[in-house]
Amino acid sequence: QVQLAQSGAEVKKPGSSVKVSCKASGGTFSGFGISWVRQAPGQGLEWMGGIISILGTAKYAQKFQGRVTIIADESTTTAYMELRSLRSEDTAVYYCASGHIVVVPAIPSHSHTFDIWGQGTMVTVSS
Amino acid sequence: DIQMTQSPSSLSASVGDRVTITCRASQGISNYLAWFQQKPGKAPKSLIYAASTLQSGVPSKFSGSGSGTDFTLTISSLQPEDFATYYCQQYYTYPFTFGPGTTVDIK
Repeated sequence: QVQLAQSGAEVKKPGSSVKVSCKASGGTFSGFGISWVRQAPGQGLEWMGGIISILGTAKYAQKFQGRVTIIADESTTTAYMELRSLRSEDTAVYYCASGHIVVVPAIPSHSHTFDIWGQGTMVTVSS
Repeated sequence: DIQMTQSPSSLSASVGDRVTITCRASQGISNYLAWFQQKPGKAPKSLIYAASTLQSGVPSKFSGSGSGTDFTLTISSLQPEDFATYYCQQYYTYPFTFGPGTTVDIK
């Protein structure tokens, strides 16, 4: 059973960047998809972007385009999410989630389930 | 973007009750619909994917149904550990989107 372990809490200044890691144990990223989801205090879940191993390139929500980068290093079974130009509204718990790849009759033809979640990483943006 | 709505936004129920939560997509998503349970301070937990397939280890009191735009999550007999917030999510197309959540609390 794959488990996802995320890096620890971060406190950042506005305008800076944060990089959160998500390491898979008990399995690999091969044949899997991984996404990042955030949750602001008292709010719901918001998908930021994700990457599917067989497609290679990441997809991002329009809201974060240009400010976020998601990569997955299969050699170390670790995924990373970097968010730049941080502002106070980015204060949230950030989760990685992984699951199996599925074929969908829509562009871009592949998606993934969200079977396993990391424990979450609290990122606080404050001056 | 596909908008996901849930109803009700919250409900109060008693132990042993049968509970049904509804999720609606703004356009057809076939059966690319998942349900998650989240307890305060914890990560979401996957309950169901493909609209009706139970995740391994999830008790059979949970069931999902629907296809296209309308979906339901049913808890057949509510237990104390089931009081939580439930989210639906479509993974049919990007951006993946979540419903706003339904909080189930104790009556």
